[in-house]
Amino acid sequence: AQSVTQLDSQVPVFEEAPVELRCNYSSSVSVYLFWYVQYPNQGLQLLLKYLSGSTLVESINGFEAEFNKSQTSFHLRKPSVHISDTAEYFCAVTGNAGNMLTFGGGTRLMVKP
Amino acid sequence: GAGVSQSPSNKVTEKGKDVELRCDPISGHTALYWYRQSLGQGLEFLIYFQGNSAPDKSGLPSDRFSAERTGGSVSTLTIQRTQQEDSAVYLCASSGGLAGLYEQYFGPGTRLTVT
Repeated sequence: AQSVTQLDSQVPVFEEAPVELRCNYSSSVSVYLFWYVQYPNQGLQLLLKYLSGSTLVESINGFEAEFNKSQTSFHLRKPSVHISDTAEYFCAVTGNAGNMLTFGGGTRLMVKP
Repeated sequence: GAGVSQSPSNKVTEKGKDVELRCDPISGHTALYWYRQSLGQGLEFLIYFQGNSAPDKSGLPSDRFSAERTGGSVSTLTIQRTQQEDSAVYLCASSGGLAGLYEQYFGPGTRLTVT
């Protein structure tokens, strides 16, 4: 069985400050890891993914995440956030035969001016 | 190209009635998933279709829930005798094609309210 823990349900931060959203997973098989973002009243959008290769992955809007196998983590970071980054962020894992995603509980990022 | 589409976007129904939710996956995607998003339970997997294989129904919460996928494309999720605890946003996702089987793309969801 797989599980995902997002330690922070809410993260308030001022605009232009750095942010880290934490994600830890447990799995008995090889994993593929994802971050999805959900803007208010919208669906889930794929932000970035780790499938193989470099453990540091980046998105087009400045977010990055690093797969750390020894710490079973996939934390999401951004060096300088914008008001428009306000959203809920979900960490997810798959790796089982069915490929269904197991999601964490989500972290609400609130960027304040 | 077009993304995953779902209809209706909102559905209000009375307790005990049946509802059908529709999902149109991205063209060419072989895999289709249904998830449910609710305040109390977060995001939960419901059912998974892959090609012509038998669906994985391991996430369905009760036998009131069923789903089918016709012609390897459109899928319908049916909830019979709806209960108030069925109120949630039902999300459909698809994967496959050039992006690979692991990247799932989600539709906007159907918000179901059972009164």
